[in-house]
Amino acid sequence: QKEVEQNSGPLSVPEGAIASLNCTYSDRGSQSFFWYRQYSGKSPELIMFIYSNGDKEDGRFTAQLNKASQYVSLLIRDSQPSDSATYLCAAQNTGGFKTIFGAGTRLFVKA
Amino acid sequence: DARVTQTPRHKVTEMGQEVTMRCQPILGHNTVFWYRQTMMQGLELLAYFRNRAPLDDSGMPKDRFSAEMPDATLATLKIQPSEPRDSAVYFCASGSIWGNTEAFFGQGTRLTVV
Repeated sequence: QKEVEQNSGPLSVPEGAIASLNCTYSDRGSQSFFWYRQYSGKSPELIMFIYSNGDKEDGRFTAQLNKASQYVSLLIRDSQPSDSATYLCAAQNTGGFKTIFGAGTRLFVKA
Repeated sequence: DARVTQTPRHKVTEMGQEVTMRCQPILGHNTVFWYRQTMMQGLELLAYFRNRAPLDDSGMPKDRFSAEMPDATLATLKIQPSEPRDSAVYFCASGSIWGNTEAFFGQGTRLTVV
């Protein structure tokens, strides 16, 4: 079992819809969680981070964290074709800041 | 414009040859990560350093891979001897234990071993 699990997709949504991306982690020592976006042939870039249980909103993006269920999600509202990319979830432990990534979910937003 | 710099961007080498990849972390960052990305395995953590000291290299094949930080501005990842299964994109990332602690990625080194 991988430490951070994501559905590989692809997830296809129409333009303007809400895209929902999910992630689970196995290490209960993980305290910080990140969502990165990676376009084909490019390096991952940070979209959002979340440390506390609940929701965190930033523009069209909302990250959700449930530490009891060891579950993290990312919602993208009003999806645009430019959101088409691979979304990587990462979990980081507090002590050593070891950061483990999931394999990523490919998202396609159809115009 | 602070960024992580990796060299070379592309490398094609023959099986059995030594490969050295270099990374210049963002100035002031005290944590450096090496990741390998393939279609099959995704983004795997190979090793990471804090203040130039290795904290965890359990993800790295010990017999052929080695990672070092000769100084605060340079991290290296070496493969000797290289094998076709090492073909992947190798990313270096740096971060700080202060602030948001996220990892900032370099542009990667695309390695092809033939």
